Amino acid sequence: QSVLTQPPSVSGAPGQRVTISCTGSSSNIGAGFDVHWYQQLPGTAPKLLIYANSNRPSGVPDRFSGSKSGTSASLAITGLHGEDEADYYCQSLDSSLNVYVFGTGTMVTVL
Amino acid sequence: EVQLVESGGGLVQPGGSLRLSCAASGFSFSNSWMHWVRQAPGKGLEWVANIKPEGSENAYVDSVKGRFTVSRDNAKNSLYLQMNSLRAEDSAMYYCARDRASGASDIWGQGTMVTVSS
Repeated sequence: QSVLTQPPSVSGAPGQRVTISCTGSSSNIGAGFDVHWYQQLPGTAPKLLIYANSNRPSGVPDRFSGSKSGTSASLAITGLHGEDEADYYCQSLDSSLNVYVFGTGTMVTVL
Repeated sequence: EVQLVESGGGLVQPGGSLRLSCAASGFSFSNSWMHWVRQAPGKGLEWVANIKPEGSENAYVDSVKGRFTVSRDNAKNSLYLQMNSLRAEDSAMYYCARDRASGASDIWGQGTMVTVSS
């Protein structure tokens, strides 16, 4: 049972904006620990999309953006593309469990 | 080329052991924290363990403590995961990953599949 909760699925038409929430608690996101986001295409390894809440690694399109507030974080995808269909996971550190934790994962569908 | 390549997965009976390896190239392995992450078929990601660059410090998820041991050989640019007393619930794809900072993994291997079944 993950301590970071994400919606199971979100969908949008090409060109639209979608957001994925990641809800934690005072022992992880609320404690000030960084949130990272990953994209996992079917049958492949995860890819780092956003690190330290809002930073994009080199090569990640600026359509992807991250934010954090209180005990939650969000990933936004603007101008949705067909190739954005994938699973997305948030990640943070949990001080009460003393481990890194991943979110429950969100499947993005492009209609 | 920057890459991580896992090996050592396979089919093992409950109670058995496996040793996973992860070969690193193209980056400074000896200066990098490293992680093992697993994913059961059709399920989400689960962080398993990590290890400090010098190998002197590591951490594990509760479900594997006392059964799994993470280690590294910086001279060989290699990371290992010794898995003992394997259970059916350990069946998963196991990935090794490089920590770029504060737990963010920016380099991942292709994964190696572990199946625990009689």
